[in-house]
Amino acid sequence: GAVVSQHPSWVICKSGTSVKIECRSLDFQATTMFWYRQFPKQSLMLMATSNEGSKATYEQGVEKDKFLINHASLTLSTLTVTSAHPEDSSFYICSASTGVDGYTFGSGTRLTVV
Amino acid sequence: DAKTTQPTSMDCAEGRAANLPCNHSTISGNEYVYWYRQIHSQGPQYIIHGLKNNETNEMASLIITEDRKSSTLILPHATLRDTAVYYCIVRVGGGNQGGKLIFGQGTELSVKP
Repeated sequence: GAVVSQHPSWVICKSGTSVKIECRSLDFQATTMFWYRQFPKQSLMLMATSNEGSKATYEQGVEKDKFLINHASLTLSTLTVTSAHPEDSSFYICSASTGVDGYTFGSGTRLTVV
Repeated sequence: DAKTTQPTSMDCAEGRAANLPCNHSTISGNEYVYWYRQIHSQGPQYIIHGLKNNETNEMASLIITEDRKSSTLILPHATLRDTAVYYCIVRVGGGNQGGKLIFGQGTELSVKP
């Protein structure tokens, strides 16, 4: 089946630094990938839709200059949290569209900003 | 915003069927209903999806009402490992990788011995 690999699974960084999270489709090509954020005890919130070779589409209220998304190939999308602060601490999850109706999720990245 | 409403939590006895309801009264004619579950803050796991007809796979059954305004996910023989948050999702936008999944609050299912 379709597998999405997300790396790292957890990361701790200092306030003011930037962190990059990778999302790879291992056995299929994903023209479209999605990035979500999840705070404790809350549901997943869609941040942006990432399309290979074009600019990402951000959901309302998501700062595109803070959350940089790059989808340079059909198997890799990256999310960079720039100048991270403690309020950016969260669980970040990517998803890839596997075709007309399929969506596979990565295992998530726990970001802690100290 | 999510187009679905679900009960916040439910309990189910191990070995019994778990029936998880979902309301999606504003669903459009070409919008699919998806079910995912999330265990212990892992990534969501796909369960099943459908448009109009009832669907069944190795994990669950999906029953969609004729007017498509609600659906029920059925786990036929719940086990302790089925304890998770279950999300009912109406896909926003079309297929061919043009649609996106907007999550609602989900139902926290607890399967008890």
